[in-house]
Order: sequence, then structure tokens, then C-alpha cells
Amino acid sequence: NAGVMQNPRHLVRRRGQEARLRCSPMKGHSHVYWYRQLPEEGLKFMVYLQKENIIDESGMPKERFSAEFPKEGPSILRIQQVVRGDSAAYFCASSPRAASGNTIYFGEGSWLTVV
Amino acid sequence: SQQGEEDPQALSIQEGENATMNCSYKTSINNLQWYRQNSGRGLVHLILIRSNEREKHSGRLRVTLDTSKKSSSLLITASRAADTASYFCATDGGAQKLVFGQGTRLTINP
Repeated sequence: NAGVMQNPRHLVRRRGQEARLRCSPMKGHSHVYWYRQLPEEGLKFMVYLQKENIIDESGMPKERFSAEFPKEGPSILRIQQVVRGDSAAYFCASSPRAASGNTIYFGEGSWLTVV
Repeated sequence: SQQGEEDPQALSIQEGENATMNCSYKTSINNLQWYRQNSGRGLVHLILIRSNEREKHSGRLRVTLDTSKKSSSLLITASRAADTASYFCATDGGAQKLVFGQGTRLTINP
């Protein structure tokens, strides 16, 4: 059973371009979470999705950021018109049930560098 | 408000010594979890302790939880160089997401 798969692992974008980060949850997991980690900091919650639904997007910036988890295929975190402040590691996690009371499993992360 | 504040921010000890890290939180929780992150890697789950538990062991790890003080500690005994990593506590606060602290950077010196 493969773990949470994220790609790309490293992504470089120029200011104003779009970044698309993909996450395939573990087999059998229908709950996906996206977190952002700035250098030397902890993880900040961004969004929680179940198949085809956004459950909690309280950590998502109001503009330029969007996330989806379609019925088929991976979850996508999309950042439009990237700025230097978007440079960070973006982690996806999945769980078979909601996080409360359950372990969530992390991918290796996608490192975004905006130049 | 920030949940899961770890203390100390950084800890450096000699191999073989014990390492203790603390975590404080602000709101009520259902459970608290500890994760490890090696540099440039994802987070690895270490242990989950529920709000009705006071202590839990897993190999060289011992976690305590004091809900009256809203605090938890992670003890790593007989540390090894491979234990060098950042350690994070995470709380759920009753919500369907985990909230992480800033982490403790642990360095084990050979």
C-alpha cells in the first residue's frame, strides 16, 4: 500500500505564473488535508476535503488559492499568480476518516520556490 | 489562537541521553499527537494520546498528557543520532483538522 504521493517534489515558478500541486491519498482514504510550512516554522492548516467536497477551507488565503478533490484522480492545490511569499513546502495528508481522533498520514511534500 | 506550542524551540544533547520536549495548548482536545520531521521530508506519526489517557509508551518514546494543565511531554530515552529531527505536537480541538505547533528542533551529538 503506497503512502501519500505528492508531485512534483520541487517546483520553481516565476512571479505571476501558476503552480499546481498534486496529491494522491493512500488507498482507501477519502479525506485529504493540505498544509503549508514556511522555513523554520510549523505546519499551517489550509484546507480539508473529502471526495468532491470542500469541508473546511478556513486556512486558505482568500485570493489566488484553490483546492479540489475530484471523484476521480488526485487532489489539486492550485496557486494562481504566485508571489515570492508563496515559497514554502506544501504538505498533503490523508486519512480514512476525519482527523479528529485519528492519525493522518503525510506525503513527502512539494517545495515551491517563486523566483 | 495558536494550539500546540512546543518548548524548547531547540534542544541539543549527547547521544545516549534522554530528550524531553513539552507542548502546551489552549483549548480542550479529544486527543494529542506527536509527529517527527526529518529535514526536507514529510511528517511521520509517532504516537497518539487521547484526552482520557495520562501516559503512553511506544518503544523508546513516552508521552504524558495533563489536561488540567493543557500540556503534554514527549520523552525519548537513550537517544540516537537518527533521532535528530524536528518534533511537532498536534491537537484537534474537537475539529476535523489537526493544528500543529512550531516544533522542537532536536539535535543528537555523537
